[in-house]
Amino acid sequence: EDQVTQSPEALRLQEGESSSLNCSYTVSGLRGLFWYRQDPGKGPEFLFTLYSAGEEKEKERLKATLTKKESFLHITAPKPEDSATYLCAVQVIDDMRFGAGTRLTVKP
Amino acid sequence: IAGITQAPTSQILAAGRRMTLRCTQDMRHNAMYWYRQDLGLGLRLIHYSNTAGTTGKGEVPDGYSVSRANTDDFPLTLASAVPSQTSVYFCASSIDRNSPLHFGNGTRLTVT
Repeated sequence: EDQVTQSPEALRLQEGESSSLNCSYTVSGLRGLFWYRQDPGKGPEFLFTLYSAGEEKEKERLKATLTKKESFLHITAPKPEDSATYLCAVQVIDDMRFGAGTRLTVKP
Repeated sequence: IAGITQAPTSQILAAGRRMTLRCTQDMRHNAMYWYRQDLGLGLRLIHYSNTAGTTGKGEVPDGYSVSRANTDDFPLTLASAVPSQTSVYFCASSIDRNSPLHFGNGTRLTVT
């Protein structure tokens, strides 16, 4: 069965303290891996798509990487405005499966 | 501003009542989706539509129905609500099934 697992469930960082979020997956026929950001009371907002192992994408303080079994979202020198829930999702045939998310809090 | 509009934003519903959640997009996307989001379970697909006139079942379709009469609208109907349908419901759209999703801001539904 296709599964997507995110860890940790919650992460608290001090402003400027870099860290990584993990998304591991067991799916057949991966067509793409997506990262989204979700703020409280809002719908998820698209960040990145990764298609093949070794691929990397960057946006401001965020960098997403992909291997054959997992993806990492690296956050460099985070700021309080980076606080949100980060979701990963894998696209398989006729479905996009989401992980439960990592809730990130960045303290000033 | 282009995007997805969902209505209502929240609703309290008595068990057994019928309810339709509305979703409209103005991006001319082909594919549309309904997800429910529950704490600890993440987003789960209820129904989808690849193009106007077609619909399909997702991971958790029981108790829900959809229709896609045109490109822009994708309503979700609960024929007879039950407390387990208490959740936050998100409508989304994408250019095609392999493209990133654009989400609305959700409908918070409580079934009592």
